[in-house]
Amino acid sequence: EPEVTQTPSHQVTQMGQEVILRCVPISNHLYFYWYRQILGQKVEFLVSFYNNEISEKSEIFDDQFSVERPDGSNFTLKIRSTKLEDSAMYFCASSLQGLAIQETQYFGPGTRLLVL
Amino acid sequence: LAKTTQPISMDSYEGQEVNITCSHNNIATNDYITWYQQFPSQGPRFIIQGYKTKVTNEVASLFIPADRKSSTLSLPRVSLSDTAVYYCLVGRDDKIIFGKGTRLHILP
Repeated sequence: EPEVTQTPSHQVTQMGQEVILRCVPISNHLYFYWYRQILGQKVEFLVSFYNNEISEKSEIFDDQFSVERPDGSNFTLKIRSTKLEDSAMYFCASSLQGLAIQETQYFGPGTRLLVL
Repeated sequence: LAKTTQPISMDSYEGQEVNITCSHNNIATNDYITWYQQFPSQGPRFIIQGYKTKVTNEVASLFIPADRKSSTLSLPRVSLSDTAVYYCLVGRDDKIIFGKGTRLHILP
């Protein structure tokens, strides 16, 4: 069964450093998402991406965050200057179509980011 | 998005059938009901989706009454590996808003 993959599985960084989290969505999917989950808390939506554009973003997704699909397979989340509160598990997801609740989203295994 | 209410936690024993009920009183006509499962330190995983009556797949069954104001996820003969958080989601939107879900703990 096709799956979403994410690298790295773990990342430790110093506050103020830039990090790039990478995702390879399922190959024929058109909609891409990033979510995060702070330890012990809910999964939170960050951003959705379609047709090389952000289609929606949450209040969490401020100017420190950016997303990119640099080629036909990768989907990246960049945090320009990490803060302690960015420590979380970051999940990438993809779906064949939008209207997420109705269309199954496939989640990756996550990247655990720790900011020191 | 329709607001959903589900129990915060449930315990059950291996081999039992587990039913988790979700209330969604303000569900809209076009809304689907979807359940996801999340194991510790893993991403959420789609379990089942339905619109009305009953849906069954190899993992679970979903029961939806005629008024669609609630739904029940049924897990037959659970095992320890079914220990996870289960999320009930209702709506049609280009993102998923997760609630706290139901933390299901299966005991030996």
